[in-house]
Amino acid sequence: DAKTTQPNSMESNEEEPVHLPCNHSTISGTDYIHWYRQLPSQGPEYVIHGLTSNVNNRMASLAIAEDRKSSTLILHRATLRDAAVYYCILTYGQNFVFGPGTRLSVLP
Amino acid sequence: NAGVMQNPRHLVRRRGQEARLRCSPMKGHSHVYWYRQLPEEGLKFMVYLQKENIIDESGMPKERFSAEFPKEGPSILRIQQVVRGDSAAYFCASSPGTGVYNSPLHFGNGTRLTVT
Repeated sequence: DAKTTQPNSMESNEEEPVHLPCNHSTISGTDYIHWYRQLPSQGPEYVIHGLTSNVNNRMASLAIAEDRKSSTLILHRATLRDAAVYYCILTYGQNFVFGPGTRLSVLP
Repeated sequence: NAGVMQNPRHLVRRRGQEARLRCSPMKGHSHVYWYRQLPEEGLKFMVYLQKENIIDESGMPKERFSAEFPKEGPSILRIQQVVRGDSAAYFCASSPGTGVYNSPLHFGNGTRLTVT
């Protein structure tokens, strides 16, 4: 399996940037790196994905290491609504295999 | 633009009964994934289907669980003879299917199954 490793939990202050790390040392050349987040009592929500180059969208930025063995999801200004579990996922075969994720707490 | 629709939102079944969970993918999406989430745990992959085909069911328990995605109508996850350990949130996700690795999944809000 192409697996990912994330910290169990992180804290951030409101309106500050948050960097959520993910290690994926066994990534293969064709694996995309996807990030999803799950708010309480909701289904996961797509955040961003990329292959090799850094990516930006309205929600976040994704910074991918040159060797692709790690990546970082960047929330530029955390809000209370960003408190969620963030999942870093590599595609495996045709599956999206979720790990335990990082629980982000945002402090007012 | 309707998202992924799952129903029912909550389902209560007694031990031994059958549970049927429905998932209507987003319009134009032909690929459906089912995941199970136990309380305070992550999502566990169960099955991946295309219209009329099961592509990967490696995460499905071998007994009592089945899934289908017919040519017409929603995808169905069926659990026969439910037991208390089946109590969980079941999430469905869909994707357009083109460029599988590059297409994000769109999730429904889940069906919360409680077995009494």
